[in-house]
Amino acid sequence: NAGVMQNPRHLVRRRGQEARLRCSPMKGHSHVYWYRQLPEEGLKFMVYLQKENIIDESGMPKERFSAEFPKEGPSILRIQQVVRGDSAAYFCASSLDLQGSKTQYFGPGTRLLVL
Amino acid sequence: AQSVTQLGSHVSVSEGALVLLRCNYSSSVPPYLFWYVQYPNQGLQLLLKYTSAATLVKGINGFEAEFKKSETSFHLTKPSAHMSDAAEYFCAVSSPRGAQKLVFGQGTRLTINP
Repeated sequence: NAGVMQNPRHLVRRRGQEARLRCSPMKGHSHVYWYRQLPEEGLKFMVYLQKENIIDESGMPKERFSAEFPKEGPSILRIQQVVRGDSAAYFCASSLDLQGSKTQYFGPGTRLLVL
Repeated sequence: AQSVTQLGSHVSVSEGALVLLRCNYSSSVPPYLFWYVQYPNQGLQLLLKYTSAATLVKGINGFEAEFKKSETSFHLTKPSAHMSDAAEYFCAVSSPRGAQKLVFGQGTRLTINP
């Protein structure tokens, strides 16, 4: 059973370009979470999605960032007009739709570098 | 609101020595608690979790943690450190209800000395 997959693993963008980060959850998982890890810091929650719905986006910056999890295909985190402060590792996690503890399984991350 | 404090951003122990990584949490509701490990340039791997069952939780690679409500702590221990334990360790808290987003501590970098 494949784990959570993220691509690309590394992404370099110039200031003002767009970055698209993809996350394929584990098979059978319908919940996706995105986290950001800035250098020398812990992970910070960004957004929680179920299929076709954003459930909690309380950690998303108000501008330039958006996320989706379509009925078919991977979840996408999109950053428009990137700035140097967006350089970070972005992790996706997925969980099962079960009562109780929804253990989150993490992907390997996408490391974004903005030049 | 929930929060996690990990005491000690860097911990260094000798191979074979006891590993103790400290985690204190704040939560207005009974929490779920987690320890994750991150190896360089990799994602996070779940070590163990507490979800209101037994207060002493055993995880992978010989690690265990004890939930102490009175001390709001969830410290991670391993009796004998191995070189392969060198990594970054994150404690996290979530609520049993709602979105269950994880709130992470700042992390503790564990170094093992030969």
